[in-house]
Amino acid sequence: DVKVTQSSRYLVKRTGEKVFLECVQDMDHENMFWYRQDPGLGLRLIYFSYDVKMKEKGDIPEGYSVSREKKERFSLILESASTNQTSMYLCASSPTGWEFLAKNIQYFGAGTRLSVL
Amino acid sequence: SQQGEEDPQALSIQEGENATMNCSYKTSINNLQWYRQNSGRGLVHLILIRSNEREKHSGRLRVTLDTSKKSSSLLITASRAADTASYFCATDVVIQGAQKLVFGQGTRLTINP
Repeated sequence: DVKVTQSSRYLVKRTGEKVFLECVQDMDHENMFWYRQDPGLGLRLIYFSYDVKMKEKGDIPEGYSVSREKKERFSLILESASTNQTSMYLCASSPTGWEFLAKNIQYFGAGTRLSVL
Repeated sequence: SQQGEEDPQALSIQEGENATMNCSYKTSINNLQWYRQNSGRGLVHLILIRSNEREKHSGRLRVTLDTSKKSSSLLITASRAADTASYFCATDVVIQGAQKLVFGQGTRLTINP
């Protein structure tokens, strides 16, 4: 089974802190994604990556950055956390290749619930 | 803006009854997927239907797709307490050259014993 592991289930940080959310997948997937989930807004894509050292902005990248130094790890960085970044953060991965591009099924981690005080 | 919108936002039924959730979307799609999310957890893929398919089954799940109406429905038959979760549709689209999944806001399903 594909396993996507997020380093923390719950995180409490203070305004202005630099926050790192880590995500590791064990299935050699090329594609990795970071979403945030808020009540009434569903899942919104923050950043995604199709390869090592490659990143693309999603729908709401402001206030976030990402790092993908190794294929299995995709980190989300909040440079200076603010209270409006309190949310559930979900990491996902998906394989590539012609067969998989036709499906684009994503595998999710359990999520990190971040509270910024 | 959100591509998919689910309806209803919340649904509460008795165990054993069937549950139907609907999803509407706006642009052309490659496929449409349904995911389940248990409270406080990540999403789990349930079923995928391609744009050239009209109906698909998987166990107690039945998905239909009407591309002319840009809508899909998910039917869960003979519901169980363990089906209590949020259900999301996701459309596979290409936006600015990038292939993405765009999720709806979800339907919160509660199965009462």
